[in-house]
Amino acid sequence: KQEVTQIPAALSVPEGENLVLNCSFTDSAIYNLQWFRQDPGKGLTSLLLIQSSQREQTSGRLNASLDKSSGRSTLYIAASQPGDSATYLCAVTRETSGSRLTFGEGTQLTVNP
Amino acid sequence: DGGITQSPKYLFRKEGQNVTLSCEQNLNHDAMYWYRQDPGQGLRLIYYSQIVNDFQKGDIAEGYSVSREKKESFPLTVTSAQKNPTAFYLCASLDRVNTGELFFGEGSRLTVL
Repeated sequence: KQEVTQIPAALSVPEGENLVLNCSFTDSAIYNLQWFRQDPGKGLTSLLLIQSSQREQTSGRLNASLDKSSGRSTLYIAASQPGDSATYLCAVTRETSGSRLTFGEGTQLTVNP
Repeated sequence: DGGITQSPKYLFRKEGQNVTLSCEQNLNHDAMYWYRQDPGQGLRLIYYSQIVNDFQKGDIAEGYSVSREKKESFPLTVTSAQKNPTAFYLCASLDRVNTGELFFGEGSRLTVL
């Protein structure tokens, strides 16, 4: 059974700092990995999707990397802003699960002005 | 604008009552999902449907029912058999053809009084 772990559970940083969020998964046979952002009381917004054949994806100040062999992904946020404060979740789709995704519990990020 | 619409946003229910949460998408996606989110926990899969007139149980299907009579619609009924229904419910659809990206609605918060 695929398990997804996100560390740390919560993170507080001053504005302007570069930071890294971690996601690890137990089964390396994944189809893709997706990073999401969730604001309080809202749905999830997709940030980046990395296919299993890719090593990284970038969007603006965000960069996500994927190392299938070690079962790890990182989300790098450059020059953090208070508006980045949210919960960040990663999810993996296993090759054999069809369309089912497994989610981590998320990292709650607070960026202080 | 394409997207997923969930309604109602907030719902209060007395014990013993069934309630139905609506989920409509105009993204032309075949696959749709219902997740439950509890405070401090990740998303847990209730039911999913990969095509019209077909659906499968997720990890926590007991006390819930769904239907998929139209591609655009995937309503979730929370029955009186669900022992702890107070939660945040999220509907999603998957772009399986193009990107493999998962899109979410804004969620419905159910409170049992």
